Amino acid sequence: DIQLTQSPSFLSASVGDRVTITCRASQGISSYLAWYQQKPGKAPKLLIYAASTLQSGVPSRFSGSGSGTEFTLTISSLQPEDFATYYCQQLNSYPRFGGGTKVEIK
Amino acid sequence: QLQLQESGSGLVKPSQTLSLTCAVSGGSISSGGYSWSWIRQPPGKGLEWIGYIYHSGSTYYNPSLKSRVTISVDRSKNQFSLKLSSVTAADTAVYYCARRTGTTGGIDYWGQGTLVTVSS
Repeated sequence: DIQLTQSPSFLSASVGDRVTITCRASQGISSYLAWYQQKPGKAPKLLIYAASTLQSGVPSRFSGSGSGTEFTLTISSLQPEDFATYYCQQLNSYPRFGGGTKVEIK
Repeated sequence: QLQLQESGSGLVKPSQTLSLTCAVSGGSISSGGYSWSWIRQPPGKGLEWIGYIYHSGSTYYNPSLKSRVTISVDRSKNQFSLKLSSVTAADTAVYYCARRTGTTGGIDYWGQGTLVTVSS
């Protein structure tokens, strides 16, 4: 079983900050990784797939990088609407999720 | 615009079977290139993938739930379903149905989610 470990699990930041979230896979998964944003009481929203491809309609301040076992989600300039929980997900046959990173206002 | 809507019992007794249906509108569940998933989220916790079914009927289940899960599709009604047997309180969660595009795409459409509580 491939496990995904996200870090940090909690992040406190200010509007305008550059934020980076890491997702590490226990085995190489090539570029088979997606990132989601979830706000309280809502379904997750797809931000990035194939590690670095921006989903249509997602602001360009979101970007993804990495391959193999280490991946990052970067928000270049944090906006008020970006305070949420972020999850990574492996996209192979058994698409498990990482544990999540909650981004809160400092 | 594709829409997914979960329906089913919101309260299930321990040891019984949880049954949910996801109605798909704005697109055909029989279209190639997509898989149809169930994902759950216990209150205050993270996301857990349950399983998915391709338009062909092939299924993939989370190994930790495989012995209790069945996902099926009803093309005539454009919907797919989840059955989870022998439930316990640990199965209490918001259950989402969703669509994933291709083999490298993420889950791009989600239902709103439905809370299922397991309690006597």
